[in-house]
Amino acid sequence: DQQVKQNSPSLSVQEGRISILNCDYTNSMFDYFLWYKKYPAEGPTFLISISSIKDKNEDGRFTVFLNKSAKHLSLHIVPSQPGDSAVYFCAASEARTGANSKLTFGKGITLSVRP
Amino acid sequence: EPEVTQTPSHQVTQMGQEVILRCVPISNHLYFYWYRQILGQKVEFLVSFYNNEISEKSEIFDDQFSVERPDGSNFTLKIRSTKLEDSAMYFCASRAAGELFFGEGSRLTVL
Repeated sequence: DQQVKQNSPSLSVQEGRISILNCDYTNSMFDYFLWYKKYPAEGPTFLISISSIKDKNEDGRFTVFLNKSAKHLSLHIVPSQPGDSAVYFCAASEARTGANSKLTFGKGITLSVRP
Repeated sequence: EPEVTQTPSHQVTQMGQEVILRCVPISNHLYFYWYRQILGQKVEFLVSFYNNEISEKSEIFDDQFSVERPDGSNFTLKIRSTKLEDSAMYFCASRAAGELFFGEGSRLTVL
């Protein structure tokens, strides 16, 4: 049961261009969404999050957009840099806080930024 | 910067053996988690732990698995009798509120 879906397994973009990573979810109880970045042999690293009361959150080169009616979110990276090459996981939670707010992860998208 | 630390980084064991994976969460965090990632698959939730008890566990977390916080700093995952399919990266995570902070993972290889 894939509650968080990242349908594209990989994405390749040119350095300096925009990277758009997409994520869909099915659980309407999800109200907190996060993006994690993962390099090989390392743990996931938090990138950016968004609460369901917002439709956009920006942090430097990273912007996350949330479309609740479509149950869709996307991560925009602009400009993309070679160091951004990693696996990006979308994750969702039914609550931002609380003992039961576990994260449900998507399968991840491998981003390659070409110099 | 505070971080979650995990030991060992890699453990090789024979099927049927017991394994203990150790984690030191960030010191002021109250919620602790174990996740795992089988090679090529997604990161899967195993268990969450708060106030010295399990708050939620997944179907994967069967009777062969247990967690413990034996003192004020360590958080351990024990697999009583390992199976081949337990081979994976095991990630510990902790949080105060909001995002989870993950350790670098312990790679478990069951032969």
